[in-house]
Amino acid sequence: GEDVEQSLFLSVREGDSSVINCTYTDSSSTYLYWYKQEPGAGLQLLTYIFSNMDMKQDQRLTVLLNKKDKHLSLRIADTQTGDSAIYFCADRPHGSSNTGKLIFGQGTTLQVKP
Amino acid sequence: DVKVTQSSRYLVKRTGEKVFLECVQDMDHENMFWYRQDPGLGLRLIYFSYDVKMKEKGDIPEGYSVSREKKERFSLILESASTNQTSMYLCASRQGQGAREQFFGPGTRLTVL
Repeated sequence: GEDVEQSLFLSVREGDSSVINCTYTDSSSTYLYWYKQEPGAGLQLLTYIFSNMDMKQDQRLTVLLNKKDKHLSLRIADTQTGDSAIYFCADRPHGSSNTGKLIFGQGTTLQVKP
Repeated sequence: DVKVTQSSRYLVKRTGEKVFLECVQDMDHENMFWYRQDPGLGLRLIYFSYDVKMKEKGDIPEGYSVSREKKERFSLILESASTNQTSMYLCASRQGQGAREQFFGPGTRLTVL
């Protein structure tokens, strides 16, 4: 079945850029998502990218999609301590428009040091 | 704003107990989901419902059942709780077919002793 993989941990200094990476196996994905989970909270949608795009920018966030390598990344510019959280990559496979089913990665814990 | 609420933030139960986790959304969404979240495993889909009284198994349905009698409420039931069901449980909802976003509740941390 489909799979989504992420590294588990990333540590950066405040003010640096963070890059969180994700790989997926489904060659027919329609949408790919980045969700953020702050401590003690549920998941919040950060951004998503349609599979026919290769880049999307939203303020400090840049999403890059390499369909050939099935690689998705999230870059956070000027990382702040408030960005410390778990970041989940998720894939919506082709054919799941009706159900909305998502496949999530393991989550990357981002630690921002002052 | 969409609001998804879960009945408890923390719950402690004993092995063998029947456990109900409740989820309510206030935006008339058609689709609702139950996930469990475990460190290093991410979110795994237990069950989902695409309409009232409709349900489908997700990736890890064993040991769980669900109920959706009303559109706004989706319940997860552990018929006989076991220690390996200790986890964070997250509910989500989505407007309906073609909608891009799932909205999540705050989660219920369940401990089974």
